[in-house]
Amino acid sequence: QVQLQESGPGLVKPSQTLSLTCTVSGGSVGSGSFYWSWIRQPAGKGLEWIGRVYTSGSTHYNPSLKSRVTISMDTSNNQVSLTLTSVTAADTAVYYCARENIQLWFPFDYWGQGTLVTVSS
Amino acid sequence: DIQMTQSPSSVSASVGDRVTITCRASHNVTKWLAWYQQKPGKAPQLLIYSVSSLQTGVPSRFSGSGSGTDFTLTISSLQPEDFATYYCQQANTFPITFGQGTRLEIK
Repeated sequence: QVQLQESGPGLVKPSQTLSLTCTVSGGSVGSGSFYWSWIRQPAGKGLEWIGRVYTSGSTHYNPSLKSRVTISMDTSNNQVSLTLTSVTAADTAVYYCARENIQLWFPFDYWGQGTLVTVSS
Repeated sequence: DIQMTQSPSSVSASVGDRVTITCRASHNVTKWLAWYQQKPGKAPQLLIYSVSSLQTGVPSRFSGSGSGTDFTLTISSLQPEDFATYYCQQANTFPITFGQGTRLEIK
């Protein structure tokens, strides 16, 4: 059974950098059958795709965040990481990592439980 | 960006009712359309992928249809556990985008 677990600080100060890690068990992040994405959801609002990484190291980012986002993969630890720089209160949200299944026309078929990140001084 | 517009934004229904949720894309998304269910405090769960394919383990009362820009999610006979928020999502064009959600409430 594939499981994804997000981890990282729950509180980040404005203008600082948000860093989260997604640890995957029951499957390999290096598999060529999947992309690994980060998605966020402000309280009471909808879902926003942040970006994704593939085993080759290639990445795609949401243009609305592209200048501040880096997503990377660590195959030795089976982890995917998110870095978001220069955060503001607008970046306060639950952050999810999710697996995107290439063989199923790219839906997000597994999600982590999410981690709340609050941006506040 | 491709805008995904769901209707209605909220709906009230009773156990046993048939419910249909609509998702309209601002541009053609071909078959790159999925539906998710989200309950409070939980991550979304995949229901339907590639417009009409049922994810493993999802009850057969859920079905999806449509093509191009217009899509529907139908729940044939509502069960108590189906009261949740539903999202459509397109993966045809970057950035990947979601609908704003449809909240399904108990009447």
